[in-house]
Amino acid sequence: DQQVKQNSPSLSVQEGRISILNCDYTNSMFDYFLWYKKYPAEGPTFLISISSIKDKNEDGRFTVFLNKSAKHLSLHIVPSQPGDSAVYFCAAVDDYKLSFGAGTTVTVRA
Amino acid sequence: NAGVTQTPKFQVLKTGQSMTLQCAQDMNHEYMSWYRQDPGMGLRLIHYSVGAGITDQGEVPNGYNVSRSTTEDFPLRLLSAAPSQTSVYFCASSYSRLQGYTFGSGTRLTVV
Repeated sequence: DQQVKQNSPSLSVQEGRISILNCDYTNSMFDYFLWYKKYPAEGPTFLISISSIKDKNEDGRFTVFLNKSAKHLSLHIVPSQPGDSAVYFCAAVDDYKLSFGAGTTVTVRA
Repeated sequence: NAGVTQTPKFQVLKTGQSMTLQCAQDMNHEYMSWYRQDPGMGLRLIHYSVGAGITDQGEVPNGYNVSRSTTEDFPLRLLSAAPSQTSVYFCASSYSRLQGYTFGSGTRLTVV
């Protein structure tokens, strides 16, 4: 039973606009959340994280929002760029274990 | 270059064969882990280690063994390969459980 879910398998967005990726989780023990970006034939690369005691973290074009009561987090990318086209994974930490969502493929259109 | 090195990049095994996937990191990270990625399922944790001599099971440990004799190396052993173990395997390391893990580039394994 997946504890971290990304219900949108794909997202298409125009260059310069905002990309919003969503993630839901079920385990209340998760105390840290991360987003990873993955290109084909490469390993995932860390993008941004947020502690469960915060509701927002910002790093350049990337902002992650956490709504603990709804067990929901989102990643905003503004503005979207062609190099952002990749698969994005949401992940959650419980003790030493990472649980990943299935990923969302983002395509940025020129 | 500093990072996580996985070997081999590709491997084809016959059912019942055994092999070891190698993983090495040169960042002096305490935390290391192995994941497998299957279509539509994201990455699933196989085994992890919080330091030399300490390992534990993840979500899908059956059919796999690990050991951590040094900080740098964390090999994953397939005892008797099965077609269900066809997957892409990623090794990752981190200096803190709450920091982003650094991933290797993966090993694509096919069991026929």
